[in-house]
Amino acid sequence: DTAVSQTPKYLVTQMGNDKSIKCEQNLGHDTMYWYKQDSKKFLKIMFSYNNKELIINETVPNRFSPKSPDKAHLNLHINSLELGDSAVYFCASSQGWGIGNTIYFGEGSWLTVV
Amino acid sequence: AQTVTQSQPEMSVQEAETVTLSCTYDTSENNYYLFWYKQPPSRQMILVIRQEAYKQQNATENRFSVNFQKAAKSFSLKISDSQLGDTAMYFCAYGADGLTFGKGTHLIIQP
Repeated sequence: DTAVSQTPKYLVTQMGNDKSIKCEQNLGHDTMYWYKQDSKKFLKIMFSYNNKELIINETVPNRFSPKSPDKAHLNLHINSLELGDSAVYFCASSQGWGIGNTIYFGEGSWLTVV
Repeated sequence: AQTVTQSQPEMSVQEAETVTLSCTYDTSENNYYLFWYKQPPSRQMILVIRQEAYKQQNATENRFSVNFQKAAKSFSLKISDSQLGDTAMYFCAYGADGLTFGKGTHLIIQP
């Protein structure tokens, strides 16, 4: 069983389209995250939810909207896709929020905008 | 804001050798955690080892160990008896509110 699973794993789409990436964790964790890894492999946090509430919202265009229907799910919707959105998006989770919580990552969703 | 610096973009060693990856960080906090993650070509992010800042004893996990120097804000990863499967990107990360990552070191183990 995959602890943190994301779908789709690969996504190729045209500029201007709207797409979603889904994430589910079966670890019973309270906190979930979205990270973006750019073409230079730099990883940066985008959003974090704790018990379905948004607690981190880094400087991300408002075309990106996370949604957490319950503690086990955190989906990422992207409107009006741009070439610069091409990246690997990682969903992750941890037991709780704050110091001492180890973060476990999904396998990543490779988004290519053409 | 916290920053994490990995000064070695790429390293290459022979199989069975020992290799050390460097990491320094900057923070004004006293209590935090540090992590090393491995990212093989599959892109999966795999936790290698973690260190609690208030513990002086260096963490070890089988062939992986760290040298944690809190005063110097240094957190290096040592891989002993390196194996071909160790070939990957290695990311150092500072953990408080979420993770702040370094830019990574691409480690290549040569046969």
